[in-house]
Amino acid sequence: EVQLQESGPGLVKPSQSLSLTCSVTGYSITSNYWGWIRKFPGNKMEWMGYISYSGSTSYNPSLKSRISITRDTSKNQFFLQLNSVTTEDTATYYCARQYYFDYWGQGVMVTVSS
Amino acid sequence: DIQMTQSPSSLPASLGDRVTITCRASQDIGNYLRWFQQKPGKSPRLMIYGATNLAAGVPSRFSGSRSGSDYSLTINSLESEDMAIYYCLQHNEYPLTFGSGTKLEIK
Repeated sequence: EVQLQESGPGLVKPSQSLSLTCSVTGYSITSNYWGWIRKFPGNKMEWMGYISYSGSTSYNPSLKSRISITRDTSKNQFFLQLNSVTTEDTATYYCARQYYFDYWGQGVMVTVSS
Repeated sequence: DIQMTQSPSSLPASLGDRVTITCRASQDIGNYLRWFQQKPGKSPRLMIYGATNLAAGVPSRFSGSRSGSDYSLTINSLESEDMAIYYCLQHNEYPLTFGSGTKLEIK
């Protein structure tokens, strides 16, 4: 069975970087596409970006140059880094198998606050 | 970006009701439309893919349809376990965009 699990700090200070890990079991990340999605307080959902089976990436232009998605194929993990965070980045962050969006992690709530 | 206008934002309904949620796409997205159900504290669950296809394990009382740029999710004979927030997602063009969500609750 395919399983995804996010991990990372639940509290980040403004202007710092947010770093999350998505650990995948039951499926190789060298196949398919793997994405990050976030849900803001108030229920708005935003697609952030993906990393492909080959390591190529695509990002939401709304995040401009703040976002980076990378991977470690030896650990079957992919990562989200979001720089220069503000309180507006407070959200629950999910990783998912993109395109199908059939498998999701349980989500990690991240609060940006001093 | 493609805007997905979802309505209604809130939908009070009674058990046994038939309800419909709609997303209107601002540009052509073909059938690249998915519907998700999300319950409190849970991750989104895929319900419909390709606008009209039922995802694995989803009860047959759920269905998806398309009329032009309007995409609908219909639930026949509402059950208590269906109370959740529902989202549409277009994946025809990047950036992918979600509808604003519909909170389905018991009247």
